[in-house]
Amino acid sequence: DSGVTQTPKHLITATGQRVTLRCSPRSGDLSVYWYQQSLDQGLQFLIQYYNGEERAKGNILERFSAQQFPDLHSELNLSSLELGDSALYFCASSNSGPQYFGPGTRLTVL
Amino acid sequence: QQQVKQSPQSLIVQKGGISIINCAYENTAFDYFPWYQQFPGKGPALLIAIRPDVSEKKEGRFTISFNKSAKQFSLHIMDSQPGDSATYFCAASRGSGGSNYKLTFGKGTLLTVNP
Repeated sequence: DSGVTQTPKHLITATGQRVTLRCSPRSGDLSVYWYQQSLDQGLQFLIQYYNGEERAKGNILERFSAQQFPDLHSELNLSSLELGDSALYFCASSNSGPQYFGPGTRLTVL
Repeated sequence: QQQVKQSPQSLIVQKGGISIINCAYENTAFDYFPWYQQFPGKGPALLIAIRPDVSEKKEGRFTISFNKSAKQFSLHIMDSQPGDSATYFCAASRGSGGSNYKLTFGKGTLLTVNP
């Protein structure tokens, strides 16, 4: 158990809908990272927050947004969902050291 | 542009054998190279990591070899066991120790260890 929690574990929704994925980092970790894992693209970095501020952006679509709250948990919002957004979404956390990953949220867009 | 190239895509090894997975990187700014192990339905778990100031790091049956001039690094799993069957990802990052920088991952290697 990495200490990073993610909810929900599974999410099934329809095209055009909006969903929110939640991540709680390990106790004391200030950085939260979001990654998308798909069969064709592998593990791709989406966005990083550090202590509530956006730190870095990767291959994140404009339809996607994230935020980190004062209690350091983070949410990834995915809107206008398309079939191609079906993937595993992982968050990871760190505190000036290695990144530890959560168990992921499997998103299925029908 | 694939900044970290990993091979092979899949690997089958007999129990007790040596598993070797290779990675090559392009960005010379990378200075932290972790390996992650992922079982089906689970998140990637940090296995072992190396910085470019050393050429080899060993932790139990797992060894990373690093060749800075060739921009290559590899994972060796000695005495491979069926429980090692998983997908292995190499990764690279700026920032010593992966400190607050994104990870760039290879495509992964599916390792199967036959009993």
